[in-house]
Amino acid sequence: EIVMTQSPATLSVSPGERATLSCRASQSVSSNLGWYQQKPGQAPRLLIYGAYARATGIPARFSGSGSGTEFTLTISSLQSEDFAIYYCQQYDNWPLTFGGGTKVEIK
Amino acid sequence: EVQLVESGGAVVQPGGSLRLSCAASGFTFDDYTVHWVRQAPGKGLEWVSLIRFDGGSTDYADSVKGRFTISRDNSKNSLYLQMNSLRAEDTALYYCAKDIGSGSGSYTFDHWGQGTLVTVSS
Repeated sequence: EIVMTQSPATLSVSPGERATLSCRASQSVSSNLGWYQQKPGQAPRLLIYGAYARATGIPARFSGSGSGTEFTLTISSLQSEDFAIYYCQQYDNWPLTFGGGTKVEIK
Repeated sequence: EVQLVESGGAVVQPGGSLRLSCAASGFTFDDYTVHWVRQAPGKGLEWVSLIRFDGGSTDYADSVKGRFTISRDNSKNSLYLQMNSLRAEDTALYYCAKDIGSGSGSYTFDHWGQGTLVTVSS
């Protein structure tokens, strides 16, 4: 099983600032990596797939990068609605696995 | 608009059984692989199972293999999860999720339901 490790566990950021979230895979997943946002009481929402492709309707301030074992989700200028938990997910190998999440909170 | 509506969650005793359902609308259901993903209270996400567009193949997480069975009825635009021999660690919110890719799937989830809660407790 591929283990996905996200860091940091919690990120404190002021509105308008840049946020950088990391995701590391225990072995290469090529570019088969997605990012999801989850707000309290809501289902996850797909942000990024294929490591860098934005899903339908996702604002351009969200960008993904990386390949192999190291990935990054960048939120260029945090808006109030962006404070949430973010999960990465690999789909290169079975079983499909998620990282433990990064909580982005208001500083 | 894509909609996925789960139902069937309940409180069940350890060793018991439950059947979850997911009603899909707003897309051509029989073109897509669909999944179950769960989330224990206050915890992260865990993929549970998938069934490909035509029901021809399925896959399961090791934690549920042999106990859970996924199925679909394309004539009813519905997905199911039969859960047997339930354990306390199966307690979670169960989400139905649509694969982003048509056909055999791309294994990323572009639409999710709101979930149905399964609690395994005596």
